[in-house]
Amino acid sequence: DAGITQSPRHKVTETGTPVTLRCHQTENHRYMYWYRQDPGHGLRLIHYSYGVKDTDKGEVSDGYSVSRSKTEDFLLTLESATSSQTSVYFCAIRDHITGMGTQYFGPGTRLLVL
Amino acid sequence: QKEVEQNSGPLSVPEGAIASLNCTYSDRGSQSFFWYRQYSGKSPELIMFIYSNGDKEDGRFTAQLNKASQYVSLLIRDSQPSDSATYLCAGGGTSKIIFGSGTRLSIRP
Repeated sequence: DAGITQSPRHKVTETGTPVTLRCHQTENHRYMYWYRQDPGHGLRLIHYSYGVKDTDKGEVSDGYSVSRSKTEDFLLTLESATSSQTSVYFCAIRDHITGMGTQYFGPGTRLLVL
Repeated sequence: QKEVEQNSGPLSVPEGAIASLNCTYSDRGSQSFFWYRQYSGKSPELIMFIYSNGDKEDGRFTAQLNKASQYVSLLIRDSQPSDSATYLCAGGGTSKIIFGSGTRLSIRP
């Protein structure tokens, strides 16, 4: 357990509404990540952060924004949710102790956009 | 585009046998490689990582890396029903890693 929590765990929303997902970690990891997982696509990186206020885009960043104002919290925002953003969203941290880029995942958030 | 490729399966293996999972990657700059296990409805959990050519063993699991062939594999000895899951291969550097789409493994009694 890497001390990662995600909230909410499940959410149903309507097309066009804003949605914010929260990832919280308790072990002072510098790197945090947001992925989405869809059948047939595996895990795809949306955005990641390498420190407070330091973020970068991943391979599927369109329609998503992130913020990191504190080390422990990494927020993912869907500005105007679309049905194509229905997915399972996982937050991850990079373990700074074992090194080599090892990532550990939170429990996930299931998002349904109607 | 950097890719990690896996056979989606399902791979069906009898209980007690060796399960062999394979993965290829396109980025020769990748330094570290990871195997994750994911049960249905759960988050991925790390099984092993490997960064040197050759074999790395941990209990019933052995990871193999061949950088010249850009090939990573995972062997599971004495397969158990609890090993039935999707196995994700991933590779990359220290800041980002790329995941394959996973191989579904089924252990039959």
